[in-house]
This record gives sequence, structure tokens and C-alpha cells, in this order.
Amino acid sequence: GQNIDQPTEMTATEGAIVQINCTYQTSGFNGLFWYQQHAGEAPTFLSYNVLDGLEEKGRFSSFLSRSKGYSYLLLKELQMKDSASYLCAVYNFNKFYFGSGTKLNVKP
Amino acid sequence: EAGVAQSPRYKIIEKRQSVAFWCNPISGHATLYWYQQILGQGPKLLIQFQNNGVVDDSQLPKDRFSAERLKGVDSTLKIQPAKLEDSAVYLCASRPSGTAPYNEQFFGPGTRLTVL
Repeated sequence: GQNIDQPTEMTATEGAIVQINCTYQTSGFNGLFWYQQHAGEAPTFLSYNVLDGLEEKGRFSSFLSRSKGYSYLLLKELQMKDSASYLCAVYNFNKFYFGSGTKLNVKP
Repeated sequence: EAGVAQSPRYKIIEKRQSVAFWCNPISGHATLYWYQQILGQGPKLLIQFQNNGVVDDSQLPKDRFSAERLKGVDSTLKIQPAKLEDSAVYLCASRPSGTAPYNEQFFGPGTRLTVL
């Protein structure tokens, strides 16, 4: 089975840093993806991790610990446009299993 | 490069009616996914195609849902008859061939279905 947990909602202030956590228990694992989804739009790819450690991509970083079944997405210098849902997805044998998503509200 | 195309964008039907969604993936992408995303939840995989063959349809409610991918390109997803709980956004995504994780999937804009 696949069990992927994320907080339902978070609020942060413009210019701040926010960390969105994701824990997973899955029957297989080949990688972990993060997607951003604005309301009423399709998900768009942000980052992926295959090995343990931190991957940095501009204002976004993603971390993975396979032994702990844990990942986080770090967003720096928050902007109003970062208000969206952030989806964690486990990749296993050419399939993606999504968490329910974390809705991030960025306030001025 | 053109993205994944889906139509219609919105559809409103009454329960027990039938509906069909169409998806045109990115040219050359061998893998095609259909997801169902209920409001407030993450996408749930319904069916996965590799070229024109079904790889996984374990979560497809086969008593009412069907899907096909003719000639390994376009795909259609059909619901017959629809139920109230089928109200959701139906997302199509495509991906290049190969199972390497860095081959990201690209989503279409989705079809928002409302069943009354």
C-alpha cells in the first residue's frame, strides 16, 4: 500500500522561509517529486530527489531521507505568487502516488 | 513544444448520463496517465498506458469507467453511467519512454466534471 502524509494547510509571510514536510510509507520507492498546483490549474513540476540529501533549485530546495521516509520542500523569499498547493508524490516503477497536498497561504 | 491538450475543459451532466474526455499527449511521449483529482485531494491514478497498451488499471472502476489509447497517441476516458461522486477534475499527463525518475510527467489543463 501507499501512505503519503502532508500537512493540510500552512500560512507564511511574504519574504519569509517555509518548510513543507512529507512523510511516506510505500511498498516501493524510486524517487520523490514535488509539484506546485495553483487553484484551478494543473500541477507543475518543481523538483525531484532520488538520493538522500538536498537538491537546490533557485528559491526552492527539496530534501530526502529514504531511511526515515521523509522529505521536505523549502521555499525561500516567499512571494505572493507562491500561494498554491504543494503536492508530494512518490515515484515507483513508472507510477506516481500523490499525497493530498499542502495549501500554502502567503500573506503580505 | 506543444503541451498536453485536453477537452472539454468543463462539463456538467446529470447522474446516470455518460461523458467522454479526450487527451492528446506531447508528441513522442510513450506513457500516458489519467488521474482523478477530487477537490482538496491529490491526483489519484486511474489508468496508465505504455504506447497503446494498458500497464495499470487497478484503480479504474471498470463497471463504469473505460479508457483507450488508439494507435498509441490520443486517449479517451469515458464514464457511463456517471455518479455524483465522479465530480472531480480529470487530469491527463504524458511522459517520455523509459522509467528513469528524471523523466518528469507533463500535465494537461484538466477537465472539470460536475455531476448533478
